[in-house]
Amino acid sequence: EAQVTQNPRYLITVTGKKLTVTCSQNMNHEYMSWYRQDPGLGLRQIYYSMNVEVTDKGDVPEGYKVSRKEKRNFPLILESPSPNQTSLYFCASRSIRQGAGEKLFFGSGTQLSVL
Amino acid sequence: GQNIDQPTEMTATEGAIVQINCTYQTSGFNGLFWYQQHAGEAPTFLSYNVLDGLEEKGRFSSFLSRSKGYSYLLLKELQMKDSASYLCALPPYNQGGKLIFGQGTELSVKP
Repeated sequence: EAQVTQNPRYLITVTGKKLTVTCSQNMNHEYMSWYRQDPGLGLRQIYYSMNVEVTDKGDVPEGYKVSRKEKRNFPLILESPSPNQTSLYFCASRSIRQGAGEKLFFGSGTQLSVL
Repeated sequence: GQNIDQPTEMTATEGAIVQINCTYQTSGFNGLFWYQQHAGEAPTFLSYNVLDGLEEKGRFSSFLSRSKGYSYLLLKELQMKDSASYLCALPPYNQGGKLIFGQGTELSVKP
């Protein structure tokens, strides 16, 4: 089944404790992206990647890192989490090949709480 | 830059028709998406309009007018399960994969 898999689904941590949220897709998509969603602010893009070893900042990249060493994986790293990073996070992917369509496939989300 | 505007919330009755509007400003146009999102869940794709006009998909239809910077999502024969947030989104022109979402319209369907 074609899917984007995010883990964990829920995470509670404390300020300053490094964490990684994993994202994996099995559709051979070139493009992958991370979003955070907060009440009243909607979905905001953190980072995106157009292919292996190619990453770019989105609108709210501060405090986050990403890597794209393999095509299928795009982990989100919080080196020193802070309470303002408490949010619902989504990973997404799509193909950029001509004719493949523009549809984004989303992971099921990670609810992060930083205490 | 880009700007997307949609109503924050709407209420409708089961069985009725509701139209959710989205207006946008963009320096270049590369299509417009509509997504549905139930609370705490991932957005799911509804439609993608590139050309002007109405596209119908079962109970859901999406309309686009590029000259007016305007789109709407039309939901017919509303069901309780249609209660969700509806997100309008634009892929920016010449910025690769950077998709910009509106804040979403929270639709409540009442019996």
